[in-house]
Amino acid sequence: DQQVKQNSPSLSVQEGRISILNCDYTNSMFDYFLWYKKYPAEGPTFLISISSIKDKNEDGRFTVFLNKSAKHLSLHIVPSQPGDSAVYFCAATARAGNNRKLIWGLGTSLAVNP
Amino acid sequence: DAGVTQSPTHLIKTRGQHVTLRCSPISGHKSVSWYQQVLGQGPQFIFQYYEKEERGRGNFPDRFSARQFPNYSSELNVNALLLGDSALYLCASSLIWEVAEAFFGQGTRLTVV
Repeated sequence: DQQVKQNSPSLSVQEGRISILNCDYTNSMFDYFLWYKKYPAEGPTFLISISSIKDKNEDGRFTVFLNKSAKHLSLHIVPSQPGDSAVYFCAATARAGNNRKLIWGLGTSLAVNP
Repeated sequence: DAGVTQSPTHLIKTRGQHVTLRCSPISGHKSVSWYQQVLGQGPQFIFQYYEKEERGRGNFPDRFSARQFPNYSSELNVNALLLGDSALYLCASSLIWEVAEAFFGQGTRLTVV
């Protein structure tokens, strides 16, 4: 049962345009959401996060939006660059007893074309 | 500053064998988590350790075990390897267990033949 869903396996965008990656979740206990970028043969790299008490967080070209009522979040990359081509994972977490674990989506492969 | 380091980077084992994977967290980080990522999937949580104690365990069989040492480094052990254990094993470190942002190593690619 996939608690974090990334329904688009791939996305192709022209350099300079906006990339929008979407993520849906089902568990209302999640209180923190994160986006990671992953290149082949490397571990995931933390990009940006958002707490459930906020609806927007911005860091340079990256902005994450959270819509709690819809259980939906999105990552906007503006402007997109060829170096942004990677697999993007959405992850969510909830405090559970004495631990925090990340629940991951399946990822969206972003290709930014020059 | 060194990031999270994992060793080895690649490993080939035979079914039934045992494997030990190692992880050194970022200096000052006390929490280490292990994840398994099979091809085409997102990472799956295996364990979280903090201050040498197991804080959480995912839905993995008892063949999987781990420990954390006084210097906060960690080992993941898998016994009686199965073909299905072939995956990328990721180690993540965070400052304390309550912090959600985790920083990952490059992973160990385990192939079971």
